[in-house]
Amino acid sequence: SQKIEQNSEALNIQEGKTATLTCNYTNYSPAYLQWYRQDPGRGPVFLLLIRENEKEKRKERLKVTFDTTLKQSLFHITASQPADSATYLCALQGTYKYIFGTGTRLKVLA
Amino acid sequence: NAGVTQTPKFRILKIGQSMTLQCTQDMNHNYMYWYRQDPGMGLKLIYYSVGAGITDKGEVPNGYNVSRSTTEDFPLRLELAAPSQTSVYFCASGGGAWASFDEQFFGPGTRLTVL
Repeated sequence: SQKIEQNSEALNIQEGKTATLTCNYTNYSPAYLQWYRQDPGRGPVFLLLIRENEKEKRKERLKVTFDTTLKQSLFHITASQPADSATYLCALQGTYKYIFGTGTRLKVLA
Repeated sequence: NAGVTQTPKFRILKIGQSMTLQCTQDMNHNYMYWYRQDPGMGLKLIYYSVGAGITDKGEVPNGYNVSRSTTEDFPLRLELAAPSQTSVYFCASGGGAWASFDEQFFGPGTRLTVL
């Protein structure tokens, strides 16, 4: 069955460093992949979408890569700040339906 | 625009009771979704709708029902509440004709406890 894996362990990094989060998937060949941010007690908020024919997408301090051979997406936050602390979810998409990973909790230490 | 609104924010039900979770969006989106999120788990799709009058099951539909009589509203019905339905419920909506790859806009969630 289709499966998405994100590192369930929390990621702690120092302020100013680059945070890298991983999303791996199996038994699936999505045309699109999305990343969301979720703060405690709130709904997810869309960050970036990347298509299968795009290797990399950037938005301000965010960068997403999509390797369809490795079946992996990497999500980078450069010059991280304590305000970036949150849970980050990746989502793959099929016809009308989205499959979400469990998310990785990021904590940026001041 | 208010975006996606959900009511209530919190609810405690007794086993066997029923309730309706309300969801409304004001962005004229065709696609709407209901998810549940259990602690430490990802979002699981319960039901979705591609337009008024059209609904379909997601990954975990058992124990739930939906209807979509208007573009704006997509209520989720729990008929016989069970402890396994204790969760946080999120409603989401997504774009127009190209919504198969559009971003989703999420509501603030409803925290439901069944005792």
